[in-house]
Amino acid sequence: AQRVTQPEKLLSVFKGAPVELKCNYSYSGSPELFWYVQYSRQRLQLLLRHISRESIKGFTADLNKGETSFHLKKPFAQEEDSAMYYCALSVRGLKGYSSASKIIFGSGTRLSIRP
Amino acid sequence: GAVVSQHPSWVICKSGTSVKIECRSLDFQATTMFWYRQFPKQSLMLMATSNEGSKATYEQGVEKDKFLINHASLTLSTLTVTSAHPEDSSFYICSTNSGRGYEQFFGPGTRLTVL
Repeated sequence: AQRVTQPEKLLSVFKGAPVELKCNYSYSGSPELFWYVQYSRQRLQLLLRHISRESIKGFTADLNKGETSFHLKKPFAQEEDSAMYYCALSVRGLKGYSSASKIIFGSGTRLSIRP
Repeated sequence: GAVVSQHPSWVICKSGTSVKIECRSLDFQATTMFWYRQFPKQSLMLMATSNEGSKATYEQGVEKDKFLINHASLTLSTLTVTSAHPEDSSFYICSTNSGRGYEQFFGPGTRLTVL
């Protein structure tokens, strides 16, 4: 079964502290994983994807196939990082090309950064 | 990034009426669009995949006769909630990718309240 699990509904840390938002997935194929972020009163937007292996706004995420995890990390949290974070899995459709892929979202983790 | 709009942003209707929600890709042609619903403080649940020129693909448990999807052009997909009831009250969000990769671009969402 295809599933994305985010065990924490809420994560609250102090400004400057390290942050780790957990994500585990279940997928029989080769996973394509993403982190999406939704700031207050804004639409959902892509934060980063595992393929690009980039750091966005100081966040990184490494795909660990052995542990089926894709945890999101940031060494020093900032107040502007407060938002809802969703881990997501791209699942290929029957046609097998990217435009037919669909996204399965985890339940989300609300990150709150305390001053 | 690609721009996706939704109309209306907010709608209130009486129980038993039908409501149409539009999703437009403003700067690219979208052969595939996705419709999600999001209950308060919950994750996005994929309802259906809308394919231009063909029938939509519905997720398990989603009534296709209840949620009619039409994708008549490469820039417009519509979701019609037929005979709406209070339990249909939710936030409906559409998304698409631009065909150039896996990144999904989301609309701002439509809040439906059924009285």
